[in-house]
Amino acid sequence: QVQLVQSGTEVKKPGSSVKVSCKTSGGTFSSNAFSWVRQAPGQGLEWMGVILPPFATPHYAQNFQGRVTITADGSTSTVYMELSSLKSADTAVYYCARDIVRLDVWGQGTTVIVSS
Amino acid sequence: EIVLTQSPGTVSLSPGERATLSCRTSQSVSSTYLAWYQQKPGQAPRLLIYGASSRATGIPDRFSGSGSGTDFTLTISRLEPEDFAVYYCQLYGSSPGYTFGQGTKLEI
Repeated sequence: QVQLVQSGTEVKKPGSSVKVSCKTSGGTFSSNAFSWVRQAPGQGLEWMGVILPPFATPHYAQNFQGRVTITADGSTSTVYMELSSLKSADTAVYYCARDIVRLDVWGQGTTVIVSS
Repeated sequence: EIVLTQSPGTVSLSPGERATLSCRTSQSVSSTYLAWYQQKPGQAPRLLIYGASSRATGIPDRFSGSGSGTDFTLTISRLEPEDFAVYYCQLYGSSPGYTFGQGTKLEI
């Protein structure tokens, strides 16, 4: 059974970057795709991008092109999402999820706070 | 870009009642790629329905999905206290990528 465990809360200054990790277990890492979704306080869900097997090819939502980088480390079965040029509007909970043309297993979420 | 519009925004019901939540897409889509999620405060979303009508693993049979084309429905046949939450519909699109509806809050 696949499980996803994300890194902890981050507090960042505007203009900086944040890198969130998502460690996977219980499945075949290299055959799974993983998406990232964020949720601003009191708001809905926003898809950010996905990393696809077998060559860990990333695809990004238009809104995040140029600012987001999704990578995967097969040796540790961990997926990463890095968001740069942070603004206060990037304050949100960031989720990773296994992507099988639906998001069936989710991490617990990582809170990112952007504040000066 | 396909837009998903959920209605109502908020619905107030009581345990034991039936809930009917709507998701309308701005153009006709394949039901294969339409999913529903439940989210409770402070928790990650949970997959309820995929392929418009298939229940995800462990989802009680009081949850059902239906629809095709541009109109999709999530029905909860008899509300339990734990069903009060926010529900999102979601479409898997080309490129790849996902679009979410804005959510329906189901409250007591």
